[in-house]
Amino acid sequence: DTGVSQDPRHKITKRGQNVTFRCDPISEHNRLYWYRQTLGQGPEFLTYFQNEAQLEKSRLLSDRFSAERPKGSFSTLEIQRTEQGDSAMYLCASSTTSGSKNEQFFGPGTRLTVL
Amino acid sequence: KNQVEQSPQSLIILEGKNCTLQCNYTVSPFSNLRWYKQDTGRGPVSLTIMTFSENTKSNRRYTATLDADTKQSSLHITASQLSDSASYICVVTLMDSSYKLIFGSGTRLLVRP
Repeated sequence: DTGVSQDPRHKITKRGQNVTFRCDPISEHNRLYWYRQTLGQGPEFLTYFQNEAQLEKSRLLSDRFSAERPKGSFSTLEIQRTEQGDSAMYLCASSTTSGSKNEQFFGPGTRLTVL
Repeated sequence: KNQVEQSPQSLIILEGKNCTLQCNYTVSPFSNLRWYKQDTGRGPVSLTIMTFSENTKSNRRYTATLDADTKQSSLHITASQLSDSASYICVVTLMDSSYKLIFGSGTRLLVRP
């Protein structure tokens, strides 16, 4: 257990529905990252926050995706009007900028299946 | 384009044997290189981390090497155990303000009794 938690662990939804995932980082970590991992591939960067500010978004993050970190602690990732291509593992990681190596600690992921 | 490539894609070995996984990267600017172990359905867990000036790093039965000139890394697993069955992912940290991670697609290792 890395100290990063994600909820839910699994989500099955029908195409067109909205889904929301939550990530709780390690409490003293000021940075939070979201990645997406499809079957047989490595994770790909989606977006990251420093405290409550969203500093960068990947081109993978279409306008159906929105992420928030309102109080600089937990974060949510919402996908609107889900498509089958959204089926993937969504990973959250947190880190602190006070260390020298900026190690990111990963949560267990949320596996999304869109039917 | 920032890329990390790994080989082989998959590997089957017998318990107790050694194996070596390879990683080539074209990530710039480079901060550090990590090897992660990812069990099926779980998040990645860091095994080793090496900065530009480090050539080798060991963690129990795992030994990672880094050649920053040729931009190659390897992960050597000694005396494999059944619990080593997992995906091993080579990851390079981008040395910009984001420190985001660039992942390889992983090597799926299966250790058989």
